[in-house]
Amino acid sequence: DSGVTQTPKHLITATGQRVTLRCSPRSGDLSVYWYQQSLDQGLQFLIQYYNGEERAKGNILERFSAQQFPDLHSELNLSSLELGDSALYFCASSPSGEGNTQYFGPGTRLTVL
Amino acid sequence: AQKITQTQPGMFVQEKEAVTLDCTYDTSDQSYGLFWYKQPSSGEMIFLIYQGSYDEQNATEGRYSLNFQKARKSANLVISASQLGDSAMYFCAMTKSRYGGATNKLIFGTGTLLAVQP
Repeated sequence: DSGVTQTPKHLITATGQRVTLRCSPRSGDLSVYWYQQSLDQGLQFLIQYYNGEERAKGNILERFSAQQFPDLHSELNLSSLELGDSALYFCASSPSGEGNTQYFGPGTRLTVL
Repeated sequence: AQKITQTQPGMFVQEKEAVTLDCTYDTSDQSYGLFWYKQPSSGEMIFLIYQGSYDEQNATEGRYSLNFQKARKSANLVISASQLGDSAMYFCAMTKSRYGGATNKLIFGTGTLLAVQP
């Protein structure tokens, strides 16, 4: 158990819908990262938050957004869903300071029908 | 831009034998970190081992060791005494810098699927 929690574990929805994925980082970790794993794109970095502020953006679509709350949990919002958004979405967290090993949550498997 | 290359899509190894999973990387940065993660069929991503670009000794964590050859830009994972539970997808990844400041987003390779045979 990495200490990172993600809910829900599975999500099945229809095209055009909006969903919210939730992540709680390990205790004390200030950085949260979101990644998408799909068969055609592999593992891709989406976005990073550090202590409530956006730190970096990767290949994140405009239909996707994220935020990190004062209690450090994070949410990834996916809207106007398309079939191609079906993927495994991971949240990872890392400590501040010297170590930056990222510990991953169990992932949310999103299926868009 | 940083890039990770894993040229072995799949590998077989006999139980109790050692296996090496290849990883080469490309970066123009002097400071970077290299990681290996394991993804079993259940889907979670498990951190295995880390090597910093300035670390002179190869990293080891139990049965895992990282064969770091900086001049060749390779960071191969060696698993000793393979076990059936080692059957999984293995990803090599890198970050721009180990220490804070810039984002430490992970750049992943395409992975190697390891099957351990009894």
